[in-house]
Amino acid sequence: DVKVTQSSRYLVKRTGEKVFLECVQDMDHENMFWYRQDPGLGLRLIYFSYDVKMKEKGDIPEGYSVSREKKERFSLILESASTNQTSMYLCASRDFPRQPQHFGDGTRLSIL
Amino acid sequence: KNEVEQSPQNLTAQEGEFITINCSYSVGISALHWLQQHPGGGIVSLFMLSSGKKKHGRLIATINIQEKHSSLHITASHPRDSAVYICAVGNSGGSNYKLTFGKGTLLTVNP
Repeated sequence: DVKVTQSSRYLVKRTGEKVFLECVQDMDHENMFWYRQDPGLGLRLIYFSYDVKMKEKGDIPEGYSVSREKKERFSLILESASTNQTSMYLCASRDFPRQPQHFGDGTRLSIL
Repeated sequence: KNEVEQSPQNLTAQEGEFITINCSYSVGISALHWLQQHPGGGIVSLFMLSSGKKKHGRLIATINIQEKHSSLHITASHPRDSAVYICAVGNSGGSNYKLTFGKGTLLTVNP
């Protein structure tokens, strides 16, 4: 079974901090994704990576950056956290385009 | 950009009832996905389909490409089916294949 592991289930940070969310997958998948999920808005794509060191902006990239130095790890970075970035963050990976995505359990991030 | 609408937003059923969740989208797609999210966050992919019908246990997914509409059916519902069900559509195009998600349907099945 594919395992997508997010480093924290719950995280509390302060406004202005630099925040790192880590995601690791164990199935050698090419593609990895970062989403945020907010009540009434559903899942929205922040960034995705189709290969090591390759990334593309999603629908809401502002205030975020990503890093993919190794195939199995995809990091989401909040450069200077703000309260409007309080949300559930979900990482996903997939083998090929048009294949189902495998999701991590999510990180509930609160910015105070 | 594709608009994905799910109905109903919330659904409460009694154990054993037949349940239908609907999904419609605005632009032609490559494939449609149904996902399940239990309380606590984890999301599981249930189906991916581009035509016709798929069945897995008590779950059935159908899609009508001409009408841009899909349904997820649950037969003989059980309290463990309580979850958020999310419809997502995939655009065309190789490695750029991305999903657009509906807002989800919260299903509660009472014993």
